[in-house]
Amino acid sequence: KQEVTQIPAALSVPEGENLVLNCSFTDSAIYNLQWFRQDPGKGLTSLLLIQSSQREQTSGRLNASLDKSSGRSTLYIAASQPGDSATYLCAVSRGSGGGADGLTFGKGTHLIIQP
Amino acid sequence: NAGVTQTPKFRILKIGQSMTLQCAQDMNHNYMYWYRQDPGMGLKLIYYSVGAGITDKGEVPNGYNVSRSTTEDFPLRLELAAPSQTSVYFCASTGDRVYEQYFGPGTRLTVT
Repeated sequence: KQEVTQIPAALSVPEGENLVLNCSFTDSAIYNLQWFRQDPGKGLTSLLLIQSSQREQTSGRLNASLDKSSGRSTLYIAASQPGDSATYLCAVSRGSGGGADGLTFGKGTHLIIQP
Repeated sequence: NAGVTQTPKFRILKIGQSMTLQCAQDMNHNYMYWYRQDPGMGLKLIYYSVGAGITDKGEVPNGYNVSRSTTEDFPLRLELAAPSQTSVYFCASTGDRVYEQYFGPGTRLTVT
C-alpha cells in the first residue's frame, strides 16, 4: 500500500527566506506526482505536476523535483512571502491505472511566513 | 469555465439521515473523484469514475454510494449518516493523459 510522508509537518520562517518542503513515498511505481496548496477552509489549488519521466518542474518562484527511484520529491520556494502561508500537500498517483485511479496524499506541511 | 462546483457548502445531518453531495464539472473531463479530508489528515479517496456509467471504489468507500449518468455530474450519496462521516468532502476531475487533478471548493459535513 502506497504511503506518502511529508516533512516537516509545520514550518515557520521569516519573509524572504528560501525553503524546501519534503515528500517521500513508499512505492516508486507512480505515474505522476502533484503538489497542491490549501488555504484555510478552502479547496486545493494545483501548483505543479511532475510526470514519472520528468525530473523537475518550475512555476515562478516554485520548483519541484522528483527522484522516483528513491521515492522522494522536494518543493523549493524561493524568496518566500507572507502570501505563501498555507498548507502544502504532496500527492502521488494510485495503483497501476496510468494515473486515472486517483491520488494518495500526504498529511501536508503547514507553512507560516512571518512578515 | 466554472471548473468543478460542489453543493452544498455546509450541511449538518442527524445520525441516520441521508443526503446527496452534488458535484459538477464543465471541462468535459472523463475522470472524476470524491475525497474526504479529516482534520490534520491528508485526503482519502472514496470513489472515482473513469467515465459515464463506470465507477470504482477507492480507499474508504464504506457508507457511501455514487453514480455517474452524465460526463458532467458525479453525486455522492450518504445513507444512514454516522458521526464518523463528519468531514470535508472534495470532488475533483481530470481529463487528459497527464491526469492533473482540479478540485472543487469542498462541502463541510457535520453529523450529530
